[in-house]
Amino acid sequence: RKEVEQDPGPFNVPEGATVAFNCTYSNSASQAFFWYRQDCRKEPKLLMSVYSSGNEDGRFTAQLNRASQYISLLIRDSKLSDSATYLCVVRRNTGGFKTIFGAGTRLFVKA
Amino acid sequence: GAGVSQSPSNKVTEKGKDVELRCDPISGHTALYWYRQSLGQGLEFLIYFQGNSAPDKSGLPSDRFSAERTGGSVSTLTIQRTQQEDSAVYLCASSLGRGASYEQYFGPGTRLTVT
Repeated sequence: RKEVEQDPGPFNVPEGATVAFNCTYSNSASQAFFWYRQDCRKEPKLLMSVYSSGNEDGRFTAQLNRASQYISLLIRDSKLSDSATYLCVVRRNTGGFKTIFGAGTRLFVKA
Repeated sequence: GAGVSQSPSNKVTEKGKDVELRCDPISGHTALYWYRQSLGQGLEFLIYFQGNSAPDKSGLPSDRFSAERTGGSVSTLTIQRTQQEDSAVYLCASSLGRGASYEQYFGPGTRLTVT
């Protein structure tokens, strides 16, 4: 089992839809959590950090549930430009800092 | 300001040849990471440098892979006797510090093709 698991998708949604991505992690020592976005043939870029209290940035909302070791990303009012792969990222410090990337969830938003 | 830069952007090499990939991190960033990403796959951690500390090499897949970071800035990833399974995009990232919450900024990657 991978340390960080995501539904690979793809998710195909119409413009304006709300879509939710889930991510689970297996190491309870994980300390920091992020969602990155990666466009086709481009490098990953930070979308948002994920805090225990939950955080929102415009149409994007991230949630963390430490008890269930679960992270989510909600995108409201999807735009065509949201089409990308969304990577769940977990960092921990167990004998050194480790950054573990999920394999990503592919999103296609269609007109 | 300038972001992370990598060179070359593309590299095609014959099986058995050695290759060197270069990464220039963001100025002032003390942490530097190398990852590779095979087609349709997630990022695989390779190696991590933090300041003057010994690097974390735990992700290097074999002894054909090595990396160095000179003067706490530029890093070179070397792959000796390349194999076809080494074909991937090699991504470098840097961050301001070593804390868990620091954002990693990625370079555009080097696409390596081994024929």
